[in-house]
Amino acid sequence: EDQVTQSPEALRLQEGESSSLNCSYTVSGLRGLFWYRQDPGKGPEFLFTLYSAGEEKEKERLKATLTKKESFLHITAPKPEDSATYLCAMGGATNKLIFGTGTLLAVQP
Amino acid sequence: NAGVTQTPKFRILKIGQSMTLQCTQDMNHNYMYWYRQDPGMGLKLIYYSVGAGITDKGEVPNGYNVSRSTTEDFPLRLELAAPSQTSVYFCASSRPADPRGAFFGQGTRLTVV
Repeated sequence: EDQVTQSPEALRLQEGESSSLNCSYTVSGLRGLFWYRQDPGKGPEFLFTLYSAGEEKEKERLKATLTKKESFLHITAPKPEDSATYLCAMGGATNKLIFGTGTLLAVQP
Repeated sequence: NAGVTQTPKFRILKIGQSMTLQCTQDMNHNYMYWYRQDPGMGLKLIYYSVGAGITDKGEVPNGYNVSRSTTEDFPLRLELAAPSQTSVYFCASSRPADPRGAFFGQGTRLTVV
């Protein structure tokens, strides 16, 4: 069964304290590993898509990496405005997405 | 360019009532989706459509119906609302093989009492 598992469920960081979020997946044929950011009361907002093991993508303080079984979202020197829920999802046929349960990140000043 | 627009933003329904959640997109996307998000459970796919006149069930379709008469609109119908349908509902759209995945609306928070 296709499945996505994210850890930790919640993470509290001090401003400037780097860390990583994990997304592990089991799928018969991966059609993209997606990362989204979700702010309270809003819909998910696209961050990255990774397609093959070894691939990396960066945007400001965020870097996403992919292996054959998991993806990491590395957050370098986070700021309070990086506080949000980060969602990982596997892509399927017709761009259907299978989501993990998310990691709630809180960055304190 | 409004993207994906959902109405209403909030709604309280009584058990057994019916309602339609509206979704429209102005990006000329072929694919549209309805997801529900429950606390700690992630987003689950309810129904999706690959084009006007074509719809299919997702992971959790029971208690819902959809139609797709135009490219722009993809309403979600709840018949005989139940407390288990209390959730936040997101509509999304995408192009085939779009590397950005799907674009999401702002959500409809529905409470069934």
